[in-house]
Amino acid sequence: EDQVTQSPEALRLQEGESSSLNCSYTVSGLRGLFWYRQDPGKGPEFLFTLYSAGEEKEKERLKATLTKKESFLHITAPKPEDSATYLCAVQARYGGATNKLIFGTGTLLAVQP
Amino acid sequence: DAGVTQSPTHLIKTRGQQVTLRCSPKSGHDTVSWYQQALGQGPQFIFQYYEEEERQRGNFPDRFSGHQFPNYSSELNVNALLLGDSALYLCASVGRAAPFDTQYFGPGTRLTVL
Repeated sequence: EDQVTQSPEALRLQEGESSSLNCSYTVSGLRGLFWYRQDPGKGPEFLFTLYSAGEEKEKERLKATLTKKESFLHITAPKPEDSATYLCAVQARYGGATNKLIFGTGTLLAVQP
Repeated sequence: DAGVTQSPTHLIKTRGQQVTLRCSPKSGHDTVSWYQQALGQGPQFIFQYYEEEERQRGNFPDRFSGHQFPNYSSELNVNALLLGDSALYLCASVGRAAPFDTQYFGPGTRLTVL
């Protein structure tokens, strides 16, 4: 069964304290791995798509990497405005005619000034 | 460029009632998916619509149904509401142009069932 596990469930950082979020996945052929940011009560905001092991993408203080079993979201020198829930999702290559996303439960990040 | 829009923002219903949620996809997108997100959980796939037909359904009962219109907008209907249906309902759209796999989400509709 396709599955996504994120850790830690919650993370509290001081402003400027870099860290990484983990997303482990089991999927019957990876079509793509996606990172989203979600603020309380709002819809997920797209951050990155990764397609193959070794791929990396960056956006401001965020950098996403991908291996055959997991992905990391590295946050460098975070600011309070980076506080949010970060969701990881996968699409299976053999998931039928759709491109449905299978999500993890997210990591709640709090950055204190 | 208009993003995905959803209405209403919030909705309060009682058990046994029926509800309809609406979604307009991002400009240029023709495929709409619906997700349910319970508090503290990741979104769960309900179903996807393309060319006005349901393409695939997740593990949700027949009480959940949908429709897609010729302008690609979509509705999610839930009948015989249960307390457990309380959640944030998200609509996501994707198009044929690259990045063709990336789904963009709307702000969601918060449904509370009393």
